[in-house]
Amino acid sequence: AQSVTQPDIHITVSEGASLELRCNYSYGATPYLFWYVQSPGQGLQLLLKYFSGDTLVQGIKGFEAEFKRSQSSFNLRKPSVQWSDAAEYFCAVGAREYGNKLVFGAGTILRVKS
Amino acid sequence: DTEVTQTPKHLVMGMTNKKSLKCEQHMGHRAMYWYKQKAKKPPELMFVYSYEKLSINESVPSRFSPECPNSSLLNLHLHALQPEDSALYLCASSQDGGGGETQYFGPGTRLLVL
Repeated sequence: AQSVTQPDIHITVSEGASLELRCNYSYGATPYLFWYVQSPGQGLQLLLKYFSGDTLVQGIKGFEAEFKRSQSSFNLRKPSVQWSDAAEYFCAVGAREYGNKLVFGAGTILRVKS
Repeated sequence: DTEVTQTPKHLVMGMTNKKSLKCEQHMGHRAMYWYKQKAKKPPELMFVYSYEKLSINESVPSRFSPECPNSSLLNLHLHALQPEDSALYLCASSQDGGGGETQYFGPGTRLLVL
């Protein structure tokens, strides 16, 4: 079965600084990978996804992520963080043979300091 | 329109009550999902419907009873819940439940069981 690890529970960055959120997955073949963002008390919004092809994926709100098969990673990056980016970020993995079941990582809470 | 709506936003119920959560989407999706999210935890899949048929039940207790009256609507009937069932209940939809599809989430219903 697939699994996801987000090693950082909390991350604090200064406004305007760069950001990288880590995600490692465990799955034998090429997985489907997603990053979602959740503001407090809200649902999840898709930031970006990777299915195949170009390993650098662009998403909404200036986010990007890079799929690295050799490291089983799909880290999320943003060059300049804004105050409004403070939220919880979830990495998720899916696989064709599991239908459309998504397995989520534990999440990383991003705090932005001014 | 990529909107999934959920009602009510908040629900407080006693352990002997019967209540229902509702979810609606008008994106023409044929797969719909219920997730449960406890505080400070990632969403956990409960049920998946594909073409109005239950395709995945993640060993959810029978006090939770899903229903998919048509391709746009998804209900979750609640009966004899326990305080530990208090959580944010998220609904999602996707194209047809095939592997790797993007799931679009609603804002959730925050449930408190007293």
